[in-house]
Amino acid sequence: AQKITQTQPGMFVQEKEAVTLDCTYDTSDQSYGLFWYKQPSSGEMIFLIYQGSYDEQNATEGRYSLNFQKARKSANLVISASQLGDSAMYFCAMREFNNAGNMLTFGGGTRLMVKP
Amino acid sequence: NAGVTQTPKFQVLKTGQSMTLQCAQDMNHNSMYWYRQDPGMGLRLIYYSASEGTTDKGEVPNGYNVSRLNKREFSLRLESAAPSQTSVYFCASSEPGGLGNEQFFGPGTRLTVL
Repeated sequence: AQKITQTQPGMFVQEKEAVTLDCTYDTSDQSYGLFWYKQPSSGEMIFLIYQGSYDEQNATEGRYSLNFQKARKSANLVISASQLGDSAMYFCAMREFNNAGNMLTFGGGTRLMVKP
Repeated sequence: NAGVTQTPKFQVLKTGQSMTLQCAQDMNHNSMYWYRQDPGMGLRLIYYSASEGTTDKGEVPNGYNVSRLNKREFSLRLESAAPSQTSVYFCASSEPGGLGNEQFFGPGTRLTVL
């Protein structure tokens, strides 16, 4: 089974509107972390936000927030007030506690396109 | 601080040729990683090094070897390149231990195998 599933291959959003990018995960660990990375067309991977499985509050970083629903195993990224520069690929990733190498498992990504 | 650097940025190989991708980090991180990203897909782990002197296989290690030369440097070698290894290769580093420890990525190497 896929550990990280991003079901939206591509999405459009109007500039200045909010958008939600979906991410569901599968793990039997009680302790894990969820990450979102942005990959613009230039190709680099940019860390956006992190949520720990035991964090009681949803993580926020500026215009980014993470809608964490543990029982549903979802960790959706919400971008408020979209900007043209938000057009990029977005990847959800997970690190599990019982993971010797501290490695990340990535989803397939969502391409977000912001319309002016 | 350069962060994570990778060389080369681009490379074209013929089937059967060999090459080494270089990666270095200046953040004093203990853990380093090599990922590949195929078109339209997420990153998949090839090999990682949890600390200097150790290396372990990831999800897709076949056809690759790695060397953790010292704490700063982690190289990836393709002994006999195949067209299926056409991909973008990313090196990353992080501190081990904490679940929330972010991985820092290099700019990537775009490899084409003809």
